[in-house]
Amino acid sequence: QVQLQESGPGLVKPSQTLSLTCTVSGGSINSGSHYWTWIRQPAGEGLEWIGRIYIRGGTNYNPSLKSRITISEDTSKNQFSLNLSSVSAADTAVYYCARETISGSIWYFDLWGRGTLVTVSS
Amino acid sequence: DIQMAQSPSSLSASVGDRVTITCRASQNLANYLNWYQQKPGNAPKLLIFAASSLQSGVPSRFSGSGSGTDYTLTISSLQPEDFATYYCQQAYNTPRSFGQGTKVEIK
Repeated sequence: QVQLQESGPGLVKPSQTLSLTCTVSGGSINSGSHYWTWIRQPAGEGLEWIGRIYIRGGTNYNPSLKSRITISEDTSKNQFSLNLSSVSAADTAVYYCARETISGSIWYFDLWGRGTLVTVSS
Repeated sequence: DIQMAQSPSSLSASVGDRVTITCRASQNLANYLNWYQQKPGNAPKLLIFAASSLQSGVPSRFSGSGSGTDYTLTISSLQPEDFATYYCQQAYNTPRSFGQGTKVEIK
């Protein structure tokens, strides 16, 4: 059974870089037909798509965050990561990693991590 | 970017009620529309994909319908475990986007 687990600092200072890792267990990140995705949710608010990576296939980023985001892969560790630079209090949120899977012609998020709260504060 | 608008933002209902949540997109999604359920402290869970296809393991009281820009999630008979927030999500293009959520509360 494939599972996702986010990890990283829970507290980041303003102007610094937020770095999170998602570890995939029970299956290979290289299995194909999946995008590996980051989504965030500020407290009491809705869901915001940050971006995604297709292993050895490239990335897509939310234009609203594009200048600050890097999503990368480490297939040797079965992990993918998010770096978000120049953070501010507005970046405080629960960050989820998720798997986007295709069925027929539609993609959907069928597997999620439990989420990790990142607070931006000095 | 595609904008998603859900209505209502919240509703109060009783166990056994039929509940309908609406999602409207800023452009035709050609049924590339998914629905999720989120309970407090938990990650979202996929309920419906491709507007009307029930995800494996999801109870049949959940159903989805719609086309073009307008879609609906229906719970035919609300159960205690269904009190949660529901989100629609467009999978037509990137950036992916979600509705603002509909919170279903106990009357």
